[in-house]
Amino acid sequence: DTEVTQTPKHLVMGMTNKKSLKCEQHMGHRAMYWYKQKAKKPPELMFVYSYEKLSINESVPSRFSPECPNSSLLNLHLHALQPEDSALYLCASSQGTSDVNEQYFGPGTRLTVT
Amino acid sequence: LAKTTQPISMDSYEGQEVNITCSHNNIATNDYITWYQQFPSQGPRFIIQGYKTKVTNEVASLFIPADRKSSTLSLPRVSLSDTAVYYCLVGDPGRYNQGGKLIFGQGTELSVKP
Repeated sequence: DTEVTQTPKHLVMGMTNKKSLKCEQHMGHRAMYWYKQKAKKPPELMFVYSYEKLSINESVPSRFSPECPNSSLLNLHLHALQPEDSALYLCASSQGTSDVNEQYFGPGTRLTVT
Repeated sequence: LAKTTQPISMDSYEGQEVNITCSHNNIATNDYITWYQQFPSQGPRFIIQGYKTKVTNEVASLFIPADRKSSTLSLPRVSLSDTAVYYCLVGDPGRYNQGGKLIFGQGTELSVKP
């Protein structure tokens, strides 16, 4: 199984809502990532988890809160988002800390903030 | 982190060989060159990675000259389904714990026509 799954596929939320994005992989990978991608732009790294611990936070606003409950799951909790946060949110994983160049990406969650 | 420069867009026809060149003048000794492919509304997909000379897999070939200041991704006999954005990335996979991360450049939008 070389798949990273993400749910939901689409999400529309208001600025006062709280929602969560989920990501799952069963490849035994120990590094997991969240990226944000705006239309016609490259993916931008948000967070990196290594062995279930947050290792990189790319100065992401606190309205985005990541969580790694176990080695297969990665969540992104969303609260009080702004319309400019509308984007495709991508999850990825890699084998370990020395395989950062070869990541497996999920299909993404298309988020719209109204 | 080494900056990469690629053409913004390229056009091709079915059955042709496509070569996409990436410049990375300040590549470091330990950096590898990695290419990803992204279809609309999907996550990026790892295509190929190399350090020097030539690497070939079932999808593409990667040519890297001796000075490593550029690289060329070669897609043999493209089809309509190869229409995608292709990203060239340069980085040291072993520096993860010192802040190594995958940084996407602007990418090349390849359009394959019938």
